[in-house]
Amino acid sequence: IAGITQAPTSQILAAGRRMTLRCTQDMRHNAMYWYRQDLGLGLRLIHYSNTAGTTGKGEVPDGYSVSRANTDDFPLTLASAVPSQTSVYFCASSDGFGELFFGEGSRLTVL
Amino acid sequence: QQPVQSPQAVILREGEDAVINCSSSKALYSVHWYRQKHGEAPVFLMILLKGGEQKGHDKISASFNEKKQQSSLYLTASQLSYSGTYFCGTEQDNTGKLIFGQGTTLQVKP
Repeated sequence: IAGITQAPTSQILAAGRRMTLRCTQDMRHNAMYWYRQDLGLGLRLIHYSNTAGTTGKGEVPDGYSVSRANTDDFPLTLASAVPSQTSVYFCASSDGFGELFFGEGSRLTVL
Repeated sequence: QQPVQSPQAVILREGEDAVINCSSSKALYSVHWYRQKHGEAPVFLMILLKGGEQKGHDKISASFNEKKQQSSLYLTASQLSYSGTYFCGTEQDNTGKLIFGQGTTLQVKP
């Protein structure tokens, strides 16, 4: 089934640990995004990529890094996790006509 | 800068109408609307482009006032399935960088 796959679905992590959230799409979309969702704050853009090989910063990029080595994959890395990074993370891709297709989300808890 | 949505929450009876507003302090290229059910991913509803027409499907439609940098989502004769959180997303230029509002929670009761 075509779409976006995120992994892991859920993770509990000790503060200071490194963590990579994986995102893979098979729709050959050029643009991909990472959002975090926190109660009352909606969806906030962390990083985005308009095409393979390019990335850009969103609203809340600090503490996160991304790479876009190919069209399909867009991993999000927390180099040294902190409790304020506890959130639900959504990866999304766009077909260039505006619509964003979201993955099912990764729930991350940093203790 | 994050757009501002109002109201924050709405409770309706089936068949009633609702309007959700989205306002930005920046000039906008496009406005998107998404709905998210509890525990699920957001789902695209529609996009309104600068200079474009009012969009709609079924009993959900939206408008975009470019001069005021505002968009409104209209839900007519609401159904139980309309319950969820509605997000507007704004794009300031044609970069694909979409910034979302904080969301409006809509609850439709029988």
